[in-house]
Amino acid sequence: GAVVSQHPSRVICKSGTSVKIECRSLDFQATTMFWYRQFPKKSLMLMATSNEGSKATYEQGVEKDKFLINHASLTLSTLTVTSAHPEDSSFYICSAGTSGFQETQYFGPGTRLLVL
Amino acid sequence: GENVEQHPSTLSVQEGDSAVIKCTYSDSASNYFPWYKQELGKRPQLIIDIRSNVGEKKDQRIAVTLNKTAKHFSLHITETQPEDSAVYFCAATSLGDSTLTFGKGTMLLVSP
Repeated sequence: GAVVSQHPSRVICKSGTSVKIECRSLDFQATTMFWYRQFPKKSLMLMATSNEGSKATYEQGVEKDKFLINHASLTLSTLTVTSAHPEDSSFYICSAGTSGFQETQYFGPGTRLLVL
Repeated sequence: GENVEQHPSTLSVQEGDSAVIKCTYSDSASNYFPWYKQELGKRPQLIIDIRSNVGEKKDQRIAVTLNKTAKHFSLHITETQPEDSAVYFCAATSLGDSTLTFGKGTMLLVSP
């Protein structure tokens, strides 16, 4: 149980375009989903927390207008990188928690974004 | 906010040896401590977790210990195997807050 999928797994785009990444909980309802960014050989950096039906909570330093997050249902959250630039190239990973205030997080397989 | 320190950053052992990774946390309200294993290019996978109402938890070759007084917790891997080679992350979360604070990771290399 507790399977999280993420799509696409890899994406290459031109500078200035927008990219949407989907995160789905396949066998459970995720009240909360998290979006992380990971640089090579670095730890996971939390970007934002999204709760179903409400606005995402962004971490300090993360531009909410650049990284649009939508959590429209209990099984789907999306991250849209708007007007992508080469510095946005990274490994983006989502995770989902089940319920309660103390949640075990299950991670998606990640999306490798390369902006040319 | 919470701050999690993890040591060592790299750890090399011979197959069959034990490996220990240590983490400290700053927020005394933290009460949930998961450990994740991440292989190169893959997702972090939960391997074991511990809550503050217990001091030790074991699952086959993996164990985690927690010292609430000292605010540190450790991952112990016995009889290491080459497939244990990966980056291991500790994390902590504060009571009432579902967000995890991760350590910087430990790259474990198990040589045959």
